[in-house]
Amino acid sequence: QLQLQESGPGLVKPSETLSLTCTASGDSISSSSYYWGCVRQPPGKGLEWIGNIYYRGNTYYNPSLKSRVTISVDTSKNQFSLKLTSVTAADTAVYYCARYLAAAGTIYGYFDLWGRGTLVTVSS
Amino acid sequence: DIVMTQTPLSLSVTPGQPASISCKSSQSLLHSDGKTYLYWYLQKPGQSPQLLIYEVSNRFSGVSDRFSGSGSGTDFTLKISRVEAEDVGVYYCMQSLQLDFGPGTKLEI
Repeated sequence: QLQLQESGPGLVKPSETLSLTCTASGDSISSSSYYWGCVRQPPGKGLEWIGNIYYRGNTYYNPSLKSRVTISVDTSKNQFSLKLTSVTAADTAVYYCARYLAAAGTIYGYFDLWGRGTLVTVSS
Repeated sequence: DIVMTQTPLSLSVTPGQPASISCKSSQSLLHSDGKTYLYWYLQKPGQSPQLLIYEVSNRFSGVSDRFSGSGSGTDFTLKISRVEAEDVGVYYCMQSLQLDFGPGTKLEI
């Protein structure tokens, strides 16, 4: 059974870059059936999709974050990673990694498996 | 942009009673491939979201048959036939045509 584990610094300074790594265990990230995604949740608020990546490196991002987001994949390590630049306090959130099953030939689908999430606080 | 709304934003239900949550989108979620890309998630306190319903009305693996989804186009509903204490949490609808979540509905007992 696939499991996802988020890792990264819990504290990031304003204007710096937030880096998060998602490690998959129990199955390969190089599955043709799935994308891999990042979702965040500010404390006490709702869910916000950040972006998705396919194991071949195809990406698509939330337009509201696109200018600051990069998601990459390392199939040799069974990992994908998020970088969010120029962070502010508004980027403080629990960051989740999730598996995304898309309908064949499309990018439309759903998150069917989630990591436990990691809190990242932006503060000086 | 597709805007998602949910009503109510919170509800309190007596165990054993039914509950219903509405989700509306500003544009139809019916794709030309015939599928409607609307999903329901439950986030229990302190936990990650878990998928309940996919493509409007299909229960995900392991989800209780007390949960059902219905709707079409822009109007969708999640129903719980008999609420149990374990159903407490925040329910989100999600559409994947422009991947976005609704604001959430908090269910309390």
